[in-house]
Amino acid sequence: EVQLAESGGGLVKPGGSLRLSCAASGITFKNAWMGWVRQAPGKGLEWVGLIKSKNEGGTSVYAAPVRGRFSISRDDEKNTVYLLMNSLKSEDTAVYYCTAGSWFGPWGQGTLVTVSS
Amino acid sequence: DIVMTQSPDSLTVSLGERATISCKSSQTLFYSSNNKNYLAWYQQKPGQPPKLLIYWASTRESGVPDRFSGSGSGTDFTLTISGLQAEDVAVYYCQQYYNTPWTFGQGTKVEIK
Repeated sequence: EVQLAESGGGLVKPGGSLRLSCAASGITFKNAWMGWVRQAPGKGLEWVGLIKSKNEGGTSVYAAPVRGRFSISRDDEKNTVYLLMNSLKSEDTAVYYCTAGSWFGPWGQGTLVTVSS
Repeated sequence: DIVMTQSPDSLTVSLGERATISCKSSQTLFYSSNNKNYLAWYQQKPGQPPKLLIYWASTRESGVPDRFSGSGSGTDFTLTISGLQAEDVAVYYCQQYYNTPWTFGQGTKVEIK
């Protein structure tokens, strides 16, 4: 059974940084494209970005609103994917979910990031 | 970027009746080399994370009731709930994974009449 568990959310001031983690189990992690989707309060789903498997280059792709500020990395030994968020803005306030694959099977509960002074 | 547009934004349907949600993409999601449409559907109930219903436009995820079906090809897709149940009250999203950045539709809220 695939399980994804996000952590690391919290309250951060505008301009600050935060790193989210997602521990995955039940998948062959090293072969999986891992990513993040977010959902602002009362809004729809927004794709944030992904990181490919190392054997497919290990490169990352990002949505325009976060490009240059967010960075996704992975640790295949720990079956964990990370989202480093810099220069945070109020509009980054959202529940952040990590994802595995191209369509997203089981979802974790997400982790709430609140950007506010 | 591929823009995904769902209609309607909200839908009120009587119990046992059919609910139909449309999803249109700004460019084709059909890849001719494998004859597949790169589209998924999700259900999100209040206070819960989304749940995968359909992928490859029409393949039902394991455990999803067969009253949920997906159809369409190219740029026009439909999610049909045949015989709406009370537990189907939710917001439904389509998502394309044909090209990055992957994108979602804005969501369709389904309620009971």
